[in-house]
Amino acid sequence: QSALTQPASVSGSPGQSITVSCTGTSSDVGVYNYVSWYQQHPGKAPKLIIYDVSSRPSGISNRFSGSKSGNTASLTISGLQAEDEADYYCSSYTSSSTFYVFGTGTKVTVL
Amino acid sequence: QVQLVQSGAEVKKPGSSVKVSCTASGGTFGDYTINWVRQVPGQGLEWMGGIIPNLDTTSYAEKFQDRVTISTDESTRTAYMDLSSLRSEDTAVYYCARAPPYYDDEYYFDSWGQGTLVTVSS
Repeated sequence: QSALTQPASVSGSPGQSITVSCTGTSSDVGVYNYVSWYQQHPGKAPKLIIYDVSSRPSGISNRFSGSKSGNTASLTISGLQAEDEADYYCSSYTSSSTFYVFGTGTKVTVL
Repeated sequence: QVQLVQSGAEVKKPGSSVKVSCTASGGTFGDYTINWVRQVPGQGLEWMGGIIPNLDTTSYAEKFQDRVTISTDESTRTAYMDLSSLRSEDTAVYYCARAPPYYDDEYYFDSWGQGTLVTVSS
């Protein structure tokens, strides 16, 4: 099972919107609406920010939104803030024997 | 809200085994899936396997199937991950992470432990 493909880095200025893509296959992202996104600051555990493609857990800012089209899921961060600078990982349920597959990770930099 | 607290850092010799614990406080325990995810320094996240405590049902990623054992002790609300035949490439931070109850048919990790660094070195 190969990792989902994410861009290595994405950057934006404060207040701007950025989008992080997550490309999978017809065995994971393309067939299941079980895409989730995690934010990870250096030295910290990942934190759930989006689940089921576009749902936000309680307490997560509405500046974070998710979507999916075909085999590609996307995370959009609007009104970019300095605290959003972190690594972001997507994940999907998969029909392979490995139930979960993660993305390669994207470093988001706030300029 | 559940909190997952993991055991401390470990240094192991190649060929040995390591057992990492993850204790849940707050919330319910038995119906949720407890998973183990590892992160090699500077790299991404990798799912290793999971267990449903109430059913004592385990699932393992094919890559780790021969070397990992996940178990729980419901009396202490603790999950364990035992990794054998350690090699230098297993040097990583190991996280436990909770997924929603198995009967909810949901697949994401809503709570994470703080991580346990396992260093494999001769």
